[in-house]
Amino acid sequence: GAVVSQHPSRVICKSGTSVKIECRSLDFQATTMFWYRQFPKQSLMLMATSNEGSKATYEQGVEKDKFLINHASLTLSTLTVTSAHPEDSSFYICSAAGGEGNQPQHFGDGTRLSIL
Amino acid sequence: AQKITQTQPGMFVQEKEAVTLDCTYDTSDQSYGLFWYKQPSSGEMIFLIYQGSYDEQNATEGRYSLNFQKARKSANLVISASQLGDSAMYFCAMRDSNYQLIWGAGTKLIIKP
Repeated sequence: GAVVSQHPSRVICKSGTSVKIECRSLDFQATTMFWYRQFPKQSLMLMATSNEGSKATYEQGVEKDKFLINHASLTLSTLTVTSAHPEDSSFYICSAAGGEGNQPQHFGDGTRLSIL
Repeated sequence: AQKITQTQPGMFVQEKEAVTLDCTYDTSDQSYGLFWYKQPSSGEMIFLIYQGSYDEQNATEGRYSLNFQKARKSANLVISASQLGDSAMYFCAMRDSNYQLIWGAGTKLIIKP
């Protein structure tokens, strides 16, 4: 099946640090990638949708200057949390879709971000 | 507005029994897709099963089947012969016309030995 690799799986860093999370589709071309944030015991909250070669579309309430998304190729998207603060601590998970109507989004394993 | 409703926040089921996880949806689209995902405590999201709105047959994947009742707008997940490893959060989701997924709140399933 389709494999999506997300790295790193866990980050602990000091307040003010910028953190980059990578999401790669390993065996298929992902025309669209999605970035989600998940708080404990809650469902996934879509942050942004990115298409290769174009600017990401952010959901309402998500600061695009805070959460920088780059979708440089059909297999790689990155999320950079700039100047992270403790309130940015969360579980971030990406998914990738090939574009066919009946194909599921395939998810990375997620990144647990802890800002001290 | 498009919405997914999962009314069971948590369920306890005896090992080897079948379990049904409820999911109802609301949409005005004629074409849509319904998905179920499993999220173990480790966090990864595992795709289980898909049902297209025009599919006449209920989807099945091994021990998973989807009881699709279009008129009632329900897409319940049925897990047969439950196993301890089935303990996880289960999310129902619907793909909208922008290919984004609309998520339910999830059901925490615990399988008792």
